[in-house]
Amino acid sequence: DAKTTQPTSMDCAEGRAANLPCNHSTISGNEYVYWYRQIHSQGPQYIIHGLKNNETNEMASLIITEDRKSSTLILPHATLRDTAVYYCIAFSLQGAQKLVFGQGTRLTINP
Amino acid sequence: DAGVTQSPTHLIKTRGQQVTLRCSPKSGHDTVSWYQQALGQGPQFIFQYYEEEERQRGNFPDRFSGHQFPNYSSELNVNALLLGDSALYLCASSLGGVNIQYFGAGTRLSVL
Repeated sequence: DAKTTQPTSMDCAEGRAANLPCNHSTISGNEYVYWYRQIHSQGPQYIIHGLKNNETNEMASLIITEDRKSSTLILPHATLRDTAVYYCIAFSLQGAQKLVFGQGTRLTINP
Repeated sequence: DAGVTQSPTHLIKTRGQQVTLRCSPKSGHDTVSWYQQALGQGPQFIFQYYEEEERQRGNFPDRFSGHQFPNYSSELNVNALLLGDSALYLCASSLGGVNIQYFGAGTRLSVL
């Protein structure tokens, strides 16, 4: 499984866009980039995933660089309820189908 | 549509005891994965069950065992509990083990 690197913590003002970076320079061609978040004392929540193309859903947008060595999760209008630990995971649909969580980024949304 | 449900919510045990945690997957899902999350750490994969068989296993000792029932629900058993087993135990379900895994709220186990 490719290792991902994320900043330990970030702050963002409420109502602004939160941009969370992730480095995955050793990602292989069949590994997707998945994002989960974990709000305090809850189970992780799926946000979005992608392989090569940028993706958008009702929660967030995912921008993957052309060389696939890094990506950015964008929360377009952050609210206080977006305060959580965000995990970037390189996940293959082949072989060992397990999510490998790192330390994640602790995102704090400030009023 | 009920999501992934886990029971109990909290549990207190003493060293050497045995514990069983339960998980009901999201409707329509046939695969259950278990994770252990120590305080301040990301979740760590324990094992995955599909078609009542253990399909994948993480780096956990044999004291950790599991079972999946014909209705796809699952149990996690931990024998000879150690203080270090204190953690949040998370269950995740998916369809065929691929794509998106949906997590329950977890069981908080405290070993005294």
